[in-house]
Amino acid sequence: NAGVTQTPKFQVLKTGQSMTLQCAQDMNHEYMSWYRQDPGMGLRLIHYSVGAGITDQGEVPNGYNVSRSTTEDFPLRLLSAAPSQTSVYFCASSRDREYEQYFGPGTRLTVT
Amino acid sequence: EDQVTQSPEALRLQEGESSSLNCSYTVSGLRGLFWYRQDPGKGPEFLFTLYSAGEEKEKERLKATLTKKESFLHITAPKPEDSATYLCAVQASTSGTYKYIFGTGTRLKVLA
Repeated sequence: NAGVTQTPKFQVLKTGQSMTLQCAQDMNHEYMSWYRQDPGMGLRLIHYSVGAGITDQGEVPNGYNVSRSTTEDFPLRLLSAAPSQTSVYFCASSRDREYEQYFGPGTRLTVT
Repeated sequence: EDQVTQSPEALRLQEGESSSLNCSYTVSGLRGLFWYRQDPGKGPEFLFTLYSAGEEKEKERLKATLTKKESFLHITAPKPEDSATYLCAVQASTSGTYKYIFGTGTRLKVLA
């Protein structure tokens, strides 16, 4: 049981490049979410999904897209990277939005 | 405005020196309050969920309590391995809209 996995662990992008952060969970959880963590600001919700085929915006969705074609996978796409997107990104899953979340190990992204 | 504030920002304790971390919140429609532990370079790890004022949860040297305005994480006789950042998160729901708001955390260092 791997829990929540994320790839890559580290990534450096140039401004304007696009990329996809991968997230997968093997706990059959319906609820999945993406956060970014910046110094002094706490974790902020980017996008979330309450089940396959259903996604919605969180607090800071601009510049990011998500899709949820399966229960297991919830990729996060950066459309055109900007230096302001330099951050650590965490994916999390939960059996339902009202329960505790299980986090992946994170992806540290630097945009130059 | 919904807000979660944690104090202190940082805390240094001697091994065996008990203390408490505070999480105060102002939200409408509280559904639950969560405590997580985060080690450097890793994702948050779930500790406790509290749902109603007066509720308490314990795990080893940690005890979490909840009132209508704040939660405390009491650490009894801490050990160096308890050193980590402790995050508080509040889940709230109003008119069918869910929010999951994290505090900025308390960095705990326990000295041997």
